[in-house]
Amino acid sequence: GAGVSQSPSNKVTEKGKDVELRCDPISGHTALYWYRQSLGQGLEFLIYFQGNSAPDKSGLPSDRFSAERTGGSVSTLTIQRTQQEDSAVYLCASSLVPNPNQPQHFGDGTRLSIL
Amino acid sequence: AQSVTQPDIHITVSEGASLELRCNYSYGATPYLFWYVQSPGQGLQLLLKYFSGDTLVQGIKGFEAEFKRSQSSFNLRKPSVHWSDAAEYFCAVGAQGGGSQGNLIFGKGTKLSVKP
Repeated sequence: GAGVSQSPSNKVTEKGKDVELRCDPISGHTALYWYRQSLGQGLEFLIYFQGNSAPDKSGLPSDRFSAERTGGSVSTLTIQRTQQEDSAVYLCASSLVPNPNQPQHFGDGTRLSIL
Repeated sequence: AQSVTQPDIHITVSEGASLELRCNYSYGATPYLFWYVQSPGQGLQLLLKYFSGDTLVQGIKGFEAEFKRSQSSFNLRKPSVHWSDAAEYFCAVGAQGGGSQGNLIFGKGTKLSVKP
């Protein structure tokens, strides 16, 4: 497809388990962003990639969160030892280049529920 | 630090009525401003953007927004609302400076309900 693709669309898991969320950006987009959308916090920026590198990981909520991007394309966001407060919708977006004037194109998100 | 405020959490309008959703931003220089719409279970779709030039920008689905520097505002408008416009609307600014690289800073969103 031509848009940003995220999988799974829904994930329910038990507290303490690890989860991996996947994002496939628009072909040719060098910039990739992860956001978290939760009831209490709204839309929070987590991390961005320029190519395969993530210059700034300070937006990740805790050291249980990590992300990588391989081949300048697909990215995975991993949450280890999940906690109930990790329940949220995780959105991925991509843009041609990492520039604040570039529109970002969003996937439909992964709805994560921690039991 | 940049920020975005959407004062209205929830707005209800009648179908066919006009709509204005408010957005205020905080930034000293010219901001890069966006409006996105999110339908239930969906991602965010870009409605329109402002970078420079004409302060009245046209977007998709009949929406427009006006940038007013003096009021630090970027309000979204539509002359006649359709039932399919019911959704949540987010105003955002592209982060600039301080090592940021284009991430969006969002307002809390305004949920729009449309009465038949």
